[in-house]
Amino acid sequence: DAGITQSPRHKVTETGTPVTLRCHQTENHRYMYWYRQDPGHGLRLIHYSYGVKDTDKGEVSDGYSVSRSKTEDFLLTLESATSSQTSVYFCAISEVPHEQFFGPGTRLTVL
Amino acid sequence: KQEVTQIPAALSVPEGENLVLNCSFTDSAIYNLQWFRQDPGKGLTSLLLIQSSQREQTSGRLNASLDKSSGRSTLYIAASQPGDSATYLCAVHTGTASKLTFGTGTRLQVTL
Repeated sequence: DAGITQSPRHKVTETGTPVTLRCHQTENHRYMYWYRQDPGHGLRLIHYSYGVKDTDKGEVSDGYSVSRSKTEDFLLTLESATSSQTSVYFCAISEVPHEQFFGPGTRLTVL
Repeated sequence: KQEVTQIPAALSVPEGENLVLNCSFTDSAIYNLQWFRQDPGKGLTSLLLIQSSQREQTSGRLNASLDKSSGRSTLYIAASQPGDSATYLCAVHTGTASKLTFGTGTRLQVTL
């Protein structure tokens, strides 16, 4: 398996609180991605990064921000969590134009 | 906007059968197409990546085809086994950052 870890793996939080999810890779891949997976919608891209401090928006970026200060770490922040952000979040890595490899996911519940 | 459709949404077959999963996409300007497997409550496992210039890619009992001009891909699974039971996802790579657009998957059950 590609060396991708996500933390935490499970989190329950309350509406209005800030939440940060971490993705860590040991593969030294240039590209990193955050997706969310919801029933009926499949996986959708939130944000992606093409290098340290280089990030861009995906399809469903509203309410999310990201940061990448090191090649190996990509952080996803929900500034003020809402119930609509309850989801499973997946991080992925790749060297374009090759395969994307996915992490194990973080299950987030916003009450 | 790229849209990816997978049919059927669910499929149940007896062990040993050969089967085909279908994927279609609306914009043929893709870089690659990737097939994944997802077990319940787990992450995604990459099965096959087909480059846009390729027609087929094989790995063990799996064979994926790509017809870019018609916007279609198929995943053929030979001699299915109960361990093949999972959800299979198709995703197309678009744009220079190779962003993935996913279908909603086909849930496969292989029965004894």
